[in-house]
Amino acid sequence: DAGITQSPRHKVTETGTPVTLRCHQTENHRYMYWYRQDPGHGLRLIHYSYGVKDTDKGEVSDGYSVSRSKTEDFLLTLESATSSQTSVYFCAISEASMGHNQPQHFGDGTRLSIL
Amino acid sequence: SQQGEEDPQALSIQEGENATMNCSYKTSINNLQWYRQNSGRGLVHLILIRSNEREKHSGRLRVTLDTSKKSSSLLITASRAADTASYFCSTQGGSEKLVFGKGTKLTVNP
Repeated sequence: DAGITQSPRHKVTETGTPVTLRCHQTENHRYMYWYRQDPGHGLRLIHYSYGVKDTDKGEVSDGYSVSRSKTEDFLLTLESATSSQTSVYFCAISEASMGHNQPQHFGDGTRLSIL
Repeated sequence: SQQGEEDPQALSIQEGENATMNCSYKTSINNLQWYRQNSGRGLVHLILIRSNEREKHSGRLRVTLDTSKKSSSLLITASRAADTASYFCSTQGGSEKLVFGKGTKLTVNP
């Protein structure tokens, strides 16, 4: 398995509180991604990073921010959590050397419940 | 959107049978990838097929790609109970981003 660790694995919090999810990789891959997975919607891209301090928005970025200060860490922050952000969040990584033909390697997810 | 759409949404077969899942997409692609997701786990990459390839094999997996029909199929031969999982196709066009379908849930009964 690719060296990807997501933390926490489970979290329950209240509406309006800030939440930060962490993705840590040991593969030194350039690209890192945050997805959310919801029934009926499949996997949707929130934000991604193509290098340290280089990030871009995905399909469902509203209400989320990200930061990447080191190659190995990619943080996803919900500034003020809402119940609609209850989901399972997945981090993924991929190499840059293969150009556009890039398989992604996924962590095991963070199950976030916002009450 | 170039989102892949898997068909069927769910498939139930007996151990030893073959399982076929299909994926359709809407725009031109650089490659198409298939992933497996076991319950409670992240996605695992299975196979990548480039737009200039028509067929690819990996063990018991066979993937075909028809760019004229904008469709792909994943065949799992001689299925096992351990193949029970959800299977997703994803397409990649002119950027680093993958766009995933909603998946096919495969159940292989012993």
